[in-house]
Amino acid sequence: GEDVEQSLFLSVREGDSSVINCTYTDSSSTYLYWYKQEPGAGLQLLTYIFSNMDMKQDQRLTVLLNKKDKHLSLRIADTQTGDSAIYFCAESTHSGGSYIPTFGRGTSLIVHP
Amino acid sequence: DVKVTQSSRYLVKRTGEKVFLECVQDMDHENMFWYRQDPGLGLRLIYFSYDVKMKEKGDIPEGYSVSREKKERFSLILESASTNQTSMYLCASSATGFGGETQYFGPGTRLLVL
Repeated sequence: GEDVEQSLFLSVREGDSSVINCTYTDSSSTYLYWYKQEPGAGLQLLTYIFSNMDMKQDQRLTVLLNKKDKHLSLRIADTQTGDSAIYFCAESTHSGGSYIPTFGRGTSLIVHP
Repeated sequence: DVKVTQSSRYLVKRTGEKVFLECVQDMDHENMFWYRQDPGLGLRLIYFSYDVKMKEKGDIPEGYSVSREKKERFSLILESASTNQTSMYLCASSATGFGGETQYFGPGTRLLVL
């Protein structure tokens, strides 16, 4: 079955880069996602990458995909205190008529001054 | 902008009560989902629906049922609430396309069962 693994905590200093890592097991994943959850809120899509891409950049965010190792990472440049949140990695595979995502357990990013 | 709303942000119920959690989306999405979120366990899929009156079990359907009578509304029902159902419940919706359907989440309902 599908499994998405990510570390539970990451602590960085404001202004540094943050790198959140994720591994997944389903090689048929079509899309891989990063969602952000701020305290007391639902999840919000940050970015996604199609499985035939290696890298995607969007302002301060860089997503790297190593399909051979089934490894996904999210780099946040110049991390700010407002980036403190839980970050979820998710893979999307086809099930019946729909794409059903499988989420990791989330990485709590703590940004300190 | 896609909007997913949930009927309550906080709910306190007693053991044995029947509990209804309502979710409404305004983007004509085919797919709707119910998750529960617990610390250290991430999101676990309870049920999902890919069409009106259709439902599929997720990973942890025991103790829950769902109803989708209209496309925009997906209800989660706890027939007889128990303390181990104390959790954060998240609803999400997505469109059906050729893949990569982004999920749009509601703000969550924090349920406490006493």
